[in-house]
Amino acid sequence: GAVVSQHPSRVICKSGTSVKIECRSLDFQATTMFWYRQFPKQSLMLMATSNEGSKATYEQGVEKDKFLINHASLTLSTLTVTSAHPEDSSFYICSARVVQGDSPLHFGNGTRLTVT
Amino acid sequence: AQSVTQLDSHVSVSEGTPVLLRCNYSSSYSPSLFWYVQHPNKGLQLLLKYTSAATLVKGINGFEAEFKKSETSFHLTKPSAHMSDAAEYFCVVSASGTYKYIFGTGTRLKVLA
Repeated sequence: GAVVSQHPSRVICKSGTSVKIECRSLDFQATTMFWYRQFPKQSLMLMATSNEGSKATYEQGVEKDKFLINHASLTLSTLTVTSAHPEDSSFYICSARVVQGDSPLHFGNGTRLTVT
Repeated sequence: AQSVTQLDSHVSVSEGTPVLLRCNYSSSYSPSLFWYVQHPNKGLQLLLKYTSAATLVKGINGFEAEFKKSETSFHLTKPSAHMSDAAEYFCVVSASGTYKYIFGTGTRLKVLA
């Protein structure tokens, strides 16, 4: 089946630094990937839609300069949290879908970001 | 616009008894509906999906869900709970043909020995 790999699974960084999270589709091509954020004991909130070869589409209220998304190839999208602050601490999950057919989204295992 | 409501934030069942997790949806278009499961600090695993074919959908691990248009519901059931079923379950709706998923608030399932 379709596998989405997300790396790292956990990261701790100091306030003011930047963190990059990678999302890879391992056995399929994904023209579109999605980035979600999940606060403790809450649901997933869509942050942005990542489009291969073009700019990401951000949801209302998400700062595009803070959460930089790059989708340079059909198998890789990256989310960079710039100048991280403690309030950016969260669980970030990416997803992707197989281009053909009516396939559902496949999710990565998430990245737990802790900003100290 | 689409929305989804999970009616119970927590459900507790005894091992071996049936599971019912409730979900109601709202959609302006013909919806696609999904149930995903999330174990602690993990990503989401697809349990099953409805995309306008059979209204009774069978998924993995013995789960199934029935799409009832008249009730705008898509409840998840399992005849007999197992300890490994303890997790967070999300009902998800998207407009058919789109991939913008709207998540419910989740139901935490606890299975008692």
